[in-house]
Amino acid sequence: DAKTTQPTSMDCAEGRAANLPCNHSTISGNEYVYWYRQIHSQGPQYIIHGLKNNETNEMASLIITEDRKSSTLILPHATLRDTAVYYCIVRSLGGSQGNLIFGKGTKLSVKP
Amino acid sequence: DTGVSQDPRHKITKRGQNVTFRCDPISEHNRLYWYRQTLGQGPEFLTYFQNEAQLEKSRLLSDRFSAERPKGSFSTLEIQRTEQGDSAMYLCASSLEASGHDEQYFGPGTRLTVT
Repeated sequence: DAKTTQPTSMDCAEGRAANLPCNHSTISGNEYVYWYRQIHSQGPQYIIHGLKNNETNEMASLIITEDRKSSTLILPHATLRDTAVYYCIVRSLGGSQGNLIFGKGTKLSVKP
Repeated sequence: DTGVSQDPRHKITKRGQNVTFRCDPISEHNRLYWYRQTLGQGPEFLTYFQNEAQLEKSRLLSDRFSAERPKGSFSTLEIQRTEQGDSAMYLCASSLEASGHDEQYFGPGTRLTVT
């Protein structure tokens, strides 16, 4: 699976959009981009995933560049409860491999 | 559906003792994963099961570690002769593998402290 690069930390004002970048320049054609987050003292939580089209769900939007070498997770109206470590993971599907390879992620602090 | 549960939530043990953790996945999920997380790091994959078959093991899973998933339901992770380096959060996740997509749902973890 390709490696990802994320900033170590980011701040965001409550109510504003939080834009979390991720670089995955070595991504291959069959690899998806997944985002998980981990709130303090809890297990990771799935947010969203995509292949090449932009995706949106009730939690967030995922914007993937046309060359697929980077992506941005957008939390449209960040709240204090969105303070967490956000992990960007590149992963191929199918076959017997199922594990997620986590990096250190981005620690997002939402401030009042 | 109450989500993935893990027991115990915290375990303190002395070096050299054996410990066993339990994970109860979401009932219809066929895949079950174990991860380990140390302070300041992301979770690291240990092993996973599809139904009762253990399909993959990380090289992090030394001979002192063993995992089982009898009958494809709950799973146990045992660590024999614990060492201080085993101190970590042990996370369990489950998923329903269908059409290649499987969103993993994580439990709250078991925090192990080896003294």
